[in-house]
Amino acid sequence: NAGVMQNPRHLVRRRGQEARLRCSPMKGHSHVYWYRQLPEEGLKFMVYLQKENIIDESGMPKERFSAEFPKEGPSILRIQQVVRGDSAAYFCASSPGTGNEQFFGPGTRLTVL
Amino acid sequence: QQPVQSPQAVILREGEDAVINCSSSKALYSVHWYRQKHGEAPVFLMILLKGGEQKGHDKISASFNEKKQQSSLYLTASQLSYSGTYFCGTPSGRSNTGKLIFGQGTTLQVKP
Repeated sequence: NAGVMQNPRHLVRRRGQEARLRCSPMKGHSHVYWYRQLPEEGLKFMVYLQKENIIDESGMPKERFSAEFPKEGPSILRIQQVVRGDSAAYFCASSPGTGNEQFFGPGTRLTVL
Repeated sequence: QQPVQSPQAVILREGEDAVINCSSSKALYSVHWYRQKHGEAPVFLMILLKGGEQKGHDKISASFNEKKQQSSLYLTASQLSYSGTYFCGTPSGRSNTGKLIFGQGTTLQVKP
C-alpha cells in the first residue's frame, strides 16, 4: 500500500515564477492537508481539503497561494509569483477521516532564487 | 494557539530515559505525536483521544491529562534511532476540522 506521494521532491524557481506542488494521498484517504515548514522551524498548517472542497484554508496566505483537490487526480498547491520567503519544505498529509492520524508525504523542498 | 513543548532540546546516552511535554493554554481535545528526522517527513507515533488515555509501543508511550491540558511522551531505554525532532499536534477546536496546530518541536539526540 503506497504511502502519500508528493512531487516534485525538489523544486527550484526564480522570483516571479509559479510553483506547482502535487500530492497523491494514501489509498482510501479522502482528506488532504498541506503544511509548510521553514528551516529549523515547526510545521504550520496551510489548508485542509476533501475531494472538490476546501474545508479550511485559514493558514494559507490570501494572495498568490491556492489549493485544489479535484475529483480525479492529485491535490495541487499552487504558488504564483514566488518570492524568496516562499522557500520552505511543503508537506502534504492525508487521513481517512477527520480526527484520524495524518500520514505525511516526503515533502517538496522549494527553493526560490 | 500553538501548544508549547518542553524541553526544547535534550541529549541522552543510549539506554537513558526522556520525557517530552506538550501543554496548551486552551482546552486539548486530542494530541498527536510525530517524530521527524532531519530532511525527512514527520512520522506518526500515536494519537491520544481521551483524557486519561495512555498508549505505548516499543518503549515509547504517551499520556494525556485533559484537565491539565497537557500530554507527555515517554521514551524509555532510548536507542540511537530515537534521535530526531518530536512534535505534538492538537486540533484547533472541539469541532475538529482536521487542522492540526503543532508545537515548536523538541530535538532529541541520543549518543552511543
